[in-house]
Amino acid sequence: DQQVKQNSPSLSVQEGRISILNCDYTNSMFDYFLWYKKYPAEGPTFLISISSIKDKNEDGRFTVFLNKSAKHLSLHIVPSQPGDSAVYFCAASGQGANNLFFGTGTRLTVIP
Amino acid sequence: DTEVTQTPKHLVMGMTNKKSLKCEQHMGHRAMYWYKQKAKKPPELMFVYSYEKLSINESVPSRFSPECPNSSLLNLHLHALQPEDSALYLCASSQQERQGASPRNTIYFGEGSWLTVV
Repeated sequence: DQQVKQNSPSLSVQEGRISILNCDYTNSMFDYFLWYKKYPAEGPTFLISISSIKDKNEDGRFTVFLNKSAKHLSLHIVPSQPGDSAVYFCAASGQGANNLFFGTGTRLTVIP
Repeated sequence: DTEVTQTPKHLVMGMTNKKSLKCEQHMGHRAMYWYKQKAKKPPELMFVYSYEKLSINESVPSRFSPECPNSSLLNLHLHALQPEDSALYLCASSQQERQGASPRNTIYFGEGSWLTVV
């Protein structure tokens, strides 16, 4: 059973605009959430994370928002750049766990 | 740039071959992982090593045999694989302050080894 879901398999955005990638989870024990970026033929690269005690974390052009009541998180990329084109995975873990539960990924294409 | 290094990047092996995938990290992480990723699927956990001891085996078939020779190295020995085992094999690591403590949840991945079984 998929505990982390990314319902949009793909997203296309114009360069310079905002990209919003969404993720939902079902397990209320998850307390740490991460976003990874993956280029073809490479391993996932850690991008940004957020703990459940926060509702927002920002790092440069990347901001992650967490809505615990809705069990929803989102990644905002502003402004989007062609180099951001990749597959983005959200992942979640619970306290004491040493595994990440991944979503199925969203392929972002930033159009120049 | 990833600080988790995997070799080889590509491997083609027959079903009767014995081969190994290797992984090295120099971040001082004491938790190391093997994940398997098929096309258009998320990574799936196979094994976790904590302080060089196997702590999680996610019901992986015995034709996959992990080994952690020291705190920086992690191997995955392959024998008698099936074509359906063809995938991207990802090594990863994370911090773990002390044995028995939970590893940090931020896991850093290598670039992966593409395995094709023919």
